[in-house]
Amino acid sequence: EVHLLESGGGLVQPGGSLRLSCAASGFAFSIYAMTWVRQAPGKGLEWVSAISSSGGSTYYGDSVKGRFTISRDNSKNTLYLQMNSLRAEDTAVYYCAKVNYGDYSIFDYWGQGTLVTVSS
Amino acid sequence: DIVMTQSPDSLAVSLGERATVTCKSSQSVLYSSNNKNYLAWYQQKPGQPPKLLIYWASTRESGVPDRFSGSGSGTDFTLTISSLQAEDVAVYYCQQYDSIPLTFGGGTKVEIK
Repeated sequence: EVHLLESGGGLVQPGGSLRLSCAASGFAFSIYAMTWVRQAPGKGLEWVSAISSSGGSTYYGDSVKGRFTISRDNSKNTLYLQMNSLRAEDTAVYYCAKVNYGDYSIFDYWGQGTLVTVSS
Repeated sequence: DIVMTQSPDSLAVSLGERATVTCKSSQSVLYSSNNKNYLAWYQQKPGQPPKLLIYWASTRESGVPDRFSGSGSGTDFTLTISSLQAEDVAVYYCQQYDSIPLTFGGGTKVEIK
């Protein structure tokens, strides 16, 4: 059974940094691209970033480009999102998800999410 | 960027009746070389992560009840729930995966009348 478990969320001040992790199990992590999607409180879904299976290719949404960095450790079956220069508008539940095929496409399994709150 | 516009924002349907959600993309998500529409639908119930329902605009994900169907091509798409059940109360999102940045529609909340 596929399982994705996010961690690392919490309260951070504007301008601060946070690193999210997503531990994967139940599938061959190293052969699938992965992605992060976020959802602000009471709002819709926003795609954040994606990474190829090898980690050699990365993709970002315009609102996080230059501030967030996606990475992965295939030896640990773990996906990461390093978030720097955080803003109030980055407050959201962050979901990691498995990409069904290619570097980016459809997201067939999702974690339960981790809440990031950016506030002073 | 491809903008995805869903309508309506919410709808209330009686149990057993049909529910229809529409999604319009600002540019075509039909890839001519394979004649596939790069359009997916997700269901999100309260307090839960999204769940993939349909991809390639009309292919149901494994395990999804056949009362859910997707249709459309190019820029105009529809998600239909043929006979609404109580467990279908949720917010439904469309998503294009034709190009980066990947984008979602704003969501449609489906409730019981």
